[in-house]
Amino acid sequence: KAGVTQTPRYLIKTRGQQVTLSCSPISGHRSVSWYQQTPGQGLQFLFEYFSETQRNKGNFPGRFSGRQFSNSRSEMNVSTLELGDSALYLCASSFSSEQYFGPGTRLTVT
Amino acid sequence: SQQGEEDPQALSIQEGENATMNCSYKTSINNLQWYRQNSGRGLVHLILIRSNEREKHSGRLRVTLDTSKKSSSLLITASRAADTASYFCATEGSGTASKLTFGTGTRLQVTL
Repeated sequence: KAGVTQTPRYLIKTRGQQVTLSCSPISGHRSVSWYQQTPGQGLQFLFEYFSETQRNKGNFPGRFSGRQFSNSRSEMNVSTLELGDSALYLCASSFSSEQYFGPGTRLTVT
Repeated sequence: SQQGEEDPQALSIQEGENATMNCSYKTSINNLQWYRQNSGRGLVHLILIRSNEREKHSGRLRVTLDTSKKSSSLLITASRAADTASYFCATEGSGTASKLTFGTGTRLQVTL
């Protein structure tokens, strides 16, 4: 089976802009989770979608949003980017408890 | 916020030696998982241990879980240079399926 794919892999944006990241889960996986990884805060859970519904949400401001499509592909959007949003954004898909991570999208906000 | 702490933060050993990493967490869990991350890339799932299990093995990996102490350890035996990576524990809490809370990670360096 193909693994989790994320696009784009690298992104440079300017403060105030918005960005959309995409994640394609492993075939058959209906749950998709998003995590933010920074040197200061480590790995933090953003949100999880299951069958197009947000099932869990982390402690992030409303500028961070996501959605899931009927084919389980997911997107996350960050509006009004801040310098502190620079991070590696990881997507993971799962069928049960074990999560399978994509390579991540490295977002740099200047 | 992060669930737990990992100890040590960094570990440097020689090839062939064993590496032990510890993880502590704060709340009740359904399971605890260990992941490996190479140099800012995606995480790779290593092993999952459920809250009613005390020990689990997978190849050169041995994981223990002590729910009374809210702690876990990961032992990598006969380490190899290819084991060089960051290792994270992650907990899945009760009633929060698919929401993993990660520890701070241990950076393992295995030298030849």
